[in-house]
Amino acid sequence: GDSVTQMEGPVTLSEEAFLTINCTYTATGYPSLFWYVQYPGEGLQLLLKATKADDKGSNKGFEATYRKETTSFHLEKGSVQVSDSAVYFCALGASSGSARQLTFGSGTQLTVLP
Amino acid sequence: EPEVTQTPSHQVTQMGQEVILRCVPISNHLYFYWYRQILGQKVEFLVSFYNNEISEKSEIFDDQFSVERPDGSNFTLKIRSTKLEDSAMYFCASTATQNIYGYTFGSGTRLTVV
Repeated sequence: GDSVTQMEGPVTLSEEAFLTINCTYTATGYPSLFWYVQYPGEGLQLLLKATKADDKGSNKGFEATYRKETTSFHLEKGSVQVSDSAVYFCALGASSGSARQLTFGSGTQLTVLP
Repeated sequence: EPEVTQTPSHQVTQMGQEVILRCVPISNHLYFYWYRQILGQKVEFLVSFYNNEISEKSEIFDDQFSVERPDGSNFTLKIRSTKLEDSAMYFCASTATQNIYGYTFGSGTRLTVV
């Protein structure tokens, strides 16, 4: 079945550092890929998405590129802020069959220190 | 911005007791979901619900679980006889259509079974 493997945390960075959180997936067909973020006390919020190979999703300075050849969707940000401290989840949505169901990774806790 | 509201935020229950987790989805949404995350593990799909019936369910969603939309606004998850391993964060979500890009998640209910 479909699965998502995500870099384990926690990750602690200083403000303005470069961030990479690795995510790889296994899926049949052509899934859509997502990054969700959960700030303390809040729900899962969609951060960015990519629906086909070579698409780049971006939002709030975060980027991720859908790499079919390496089955990856790594999250990057050039300069993190304290306000980026949160848990980040990589997820995929199947393109057929269980199209409404999301498959998540285990989440990566990011802490950014001033 | 419309929100999915979950109550309570934290519930402690004794093993063997019944528990009901409550969710108020976004008012014009038609598809409803429950996901759970056991501490340190992946967010897992439990069940989807549409047109007053279950659309899909995972193997986790056994006879101990049930869902209901009792009054047209609430969407509940009932666990009949809780086990220690049911301790987890439970997320409710809703979407307006079958489109997986439109998920709105609640902030979760942390269930602790003692």
